[in-house]
Amino acid sequence: QEQLVESGGGLVKPGGSLRLSCADSGFTFSDFHMNWIRQAPGKGLEWVSYISSSGLTIHYADSVKGRFTISRDNAKNSLFLQMNSLRAEDTALYYCARGFGYFDLWGRGTLVTVSS
Amino acid sequence: DIQMTQSPSSLSASVGDRVTITCQASQDISNYLNWYQQRPGKAPKLLIYDASNLETGVPSRFSGSGSGTYFTFTISSLQPEDIATYYCQHYDDLPYIFGQGTKLEIK
Repeated sequence: QEQLVESGGGLVKPGGSLRLSCADSGFTFSDFHMNWIRQAPGKGLEWVSYISSSGLTIHYADSVKGRFTISRDNAKNSLFLQMNSLRAEDTALYYCARGFGYFDLWGRGTLVTVSS
Repeated sequence: DIQMTQSPSSLSASVGDRVTITCQASQDISNYLNWYQQRPGKAPKLLIYDASNLETGVPSRFSGSGSGTYFTFTISSLQPEDIATYYCQHYDDLPYIFGQGTKLEIK
């Protein structure tokens, strides 16, 4: 069964860092483009970042550009999001999602809370 | 950035009703428009891609139409399990933007 599982969320102080991971199962990870999408508590969905299947093409939302870094390890079937200089407004449930343009497989999310 | 205006923001309907949600783009996005369902406490689920294509395994009571700047999402006969928030999302260009969501409740 195809599945994505996020991990690495937690409570961090403003200005701190956190590294999220997303592990896949049930499909050939290296064949697919991947994304991070977040949802602040009680709010809508915000696309955060995209990485191509090869890892050579990367894009970010303006709200995280220069602070977040997306990467992947196709040998380990894993996607990552390094988050630095975290702000209160980064508090959200972070989903990894598969796809280019549309997202056909989502994980259950990992919660990031930025608070002093 | 392309903006997506989704309406209504909330909707209450009875089981068996036909329900329609609209999504308007701030510029022509061709058919690069998707629809998702997010049940309470769950991850979003892709229902419709490229404006009108039903994702595999999604019931046929769900449908989508439109192109350019105006799109509609329809549930032909509302079922109790359709209680959820529905989002449109464009992918004409980066950044991908989601609509504000429509919270659907059963009367």
